[in-house]
Amino acid sequence: GEDVEQSLFLSVREGDSSVINCTYTDSSSTYLYWYKQEPGAGLQLLTYIFSNMDMKQDQRLTVLLNKKDKHLSLRIADTQTGDSAIYFCAEGDNFNKFYFGSGTKLNVKP
Amino acid sequence: SAVISQKPSRDICQRGTSLTIQCQVDSQVTMMFWYRQQPGQSLTLIATANQGSEATYESGFVIDKFPISRPNLTFSTLTVSNMSPEDSSIYLCSVPGQGGLAKNIQYFGAGTRLSVL
Repeated sequence: GEDVEQSLFLSVREGDSSVINCTYTDSSSTYLYWYKQEPGAGLQLLTYIFSNMDMKQDQRLTVLLNKKDKHLSLRIADTQTGDSAIYFCAEGDNFNKFYFGSGTKLNVKP
Repeated sequence: SAVISQKPSRDICQRGTSLTIQCQVDSQVTMMFWYRQQPGQSLTLIATANQGSEATYESGFVIDKFPISRPNLTFSTLTVSNMSPEDSSIYLCSVPGQGGLAKNIQYFGAGTRLSVL
């Protein structure tokens, strides 16, 4: 199946920017996604990007897609303690099956 | 977006028993998906639950261990059979959104946290 990889941990100070990186293998993916999982909760869709886009901005979130390198990143501006969570990168195939990365645990220090 | 309710939210079970997890959606959907998230791991797709036909299982998952029902377009169950401690995980159901771009998005329930002793 598809292989989606992420670094496991990221620690930042409150107010700084966070950048979470992801690489994927399936070049035919139409959409790529970022989900957030807070402790004890399910997955919340944060944002997604269409594969023919390079960048998408949504308030504090910026998604960058480098399709040539199969690299996706999520930048969170002005990171807050409430942003502490696990962030999953995912790609979806034409049958609505999603393949998730291992998740990046973001720790925001006050 | 879809509103998905899962029951139970958590359970502690004895080895050798079975647990049935329910997933209810607030709208009719053709496909529902069941995922497993083992402790500290990512999500792995178990199967696709199709209304009116048998579920389609991913490699490594079999119907005898994870029987799935899909009696109508808003409901599905996943049973974890003959449980062992290795089955301790979070089990999540998901559905695609409806219409336009939303159909490319998966919405998830809050998950069922299962611990097997």
